[in-house]
Amino acid sequence: QSVLTQPPSASGTPGQRVSFSCSGSNSRFGSYDVNWYQQFPGAAPKLLIYSNIQRPSGVPDRFSGSKSGTSASLAISGLQSEDEADYYCAAWDDSLSGYVFGSGTKVTVL
Amino acid sequence: EVVLVESGGGLVQPGGSLRLSCGTSGFTFSNYEMNWVRQAPGKGLEWLSYINTFGTTVYYADSVRGRLTVSRDNAKNSLYLQMNSLRAEDTAVYYCARKSVVPAAEFDYWGQGTLVTVSS
Repeated sequence: QSVLTQPPSASGTPGQRVSFSCSGSNSRFGSYDVNWYQQFPGAAPKLLIYSNIQRPSGVPDRFSGSKSGTSASLAISGLQSEDEADYYCAAWDDSLSGYVFGSGTKVTVL
Repeated sequence: EVVLVESGGGLVQPGGSLRLSCGTSGFTFSNYEMNWVRQAPGKGLEWLSYINTFGTTVYYADSVRGRLTVSRDNAKNSLYLQMNSLRAEDTAVYYCARKSVVPAAEFDYWGQGTLVTVSS
């Protein structure tokens, strides 16, 4: 069972705002710097958000991250068909000396 | 342009061994910490291993500790993953990923992955 829990799916129509969570199952979640990755079928993941809220250069500002308490969230505003992908949250856990991934959320554009 | 290319995947029998390589270009490899991540067919991402810039500090996921060994050759700009005692559940696409130098950012570049199939 993953340390980070995500809903298996999320959906919305073009132009809508969709958001989904990444919940931590341990007391260390508050210290996590949560990263989000986007992955298309058959492709490598791409870093979308780091340090909970930061976007790497080139990532559209339609993507935004947040974190509060034991949960982090990724929001996609102005949903587009090309946003249909799998999204994973992740974080380095100092206590585990390891990186933990969430179970992934599949976003479908209706 | 930053490029990471994995190689060495293929079909291997249970109990066998395989050595994966990750060749890199477009950046100063010796300045970057590196990781291996895998993804079983139809499943999520699983972090496997980390290695620091000098190769002196390594970490492993519990699920693979003792069977996988990560190493690097900075002179050859390459990362390696030696996999022993392979099991059917090790069947996956294996990615190498560069750890960003930006604080709290993790894997900013990934390879395209190499498929390892463990089957008799």
